[in-house]
Amino acid sequence: NAGVTQTPKFQVLKTGQSMTLQCAQDMNHNSMYWYRQDPGMGLRLIYYSASEGTTDKGEVPNGYNVSRLNKREFSLRLESAAPSQTSVYFCASSEVGQGVVGEQFFGPGTRLTVL
Amino acid sequence: LAKTTQPISMDSYEGQEVNITCSHNNIATNDYITWYQQFPSQGPRFIIQGYKTKVTNEVASLFIPADRKSSTLSLPRVSLSDTAVYYCLVGDGGYQKVTFGIGTKLQVIP
Repeated sequence: NAGVTQTPKFQVLKTGQSMTLQCAQDMNHNSMYWYRQDPGMGLRLIYYSASEGTTDKGEVPNGYNVSRLNKREFSLRLESAAPSQTSVYFCASSEVGQGVVGEQFFGPGTRLTVL
Repeated sequence: LAKTTQPISMDSYEGQEVNITCSHNNIATNDYITWYQQFPSQGPRFIIQGYKTKVTNEVASLFIPADRKSSTLSLPRVSLSDTAVYYCLVGDGGYQKVTFGIGTKLQVIP
């Protein structure tokens, strides 16, 4: 099992450009998440998808859109990149619903720089 | 949402036991306490989770007092490879309700 995979690993954009970060998991998890982590900071939740067909905003959703393409895939789109979106982006998945905060599995991250 | 407070950084020598305490005074009845570890340039990794008393696995122990207003992650005989950031999370039902704070940066010294 590959777990959670993310593409690309690195990306440099110019201000105003758009791009989509891809995430896929092979653990049959219902829930998927996108986080950003700025230098020296903890992770902040951008968007999450509790189950296939649903998405909802997290703590810092402005400037981003998401698509839960199917149970396996959850993409994050930057429509018009800004330097403030320079960060490391992590995708994660978990199984929830049993009344316990299920273990969350993270991908390797995408390092995005916006010039 | 239950807010957590933990030390920003800690240093320890190799071979010592390390205890990292997390304060969560407004923890709710249904909340669980979960700890994650993050190495540089990697995503966080689950370490341990508990509700009350003591939980132990092959990596760490988690001590939770009866009032559950704090918890302590215990790492036995740390090595250099345990140098990482450790996050304490409190919540129930899903990660949309919990937040990763700044965490505790543990530096293990030879």
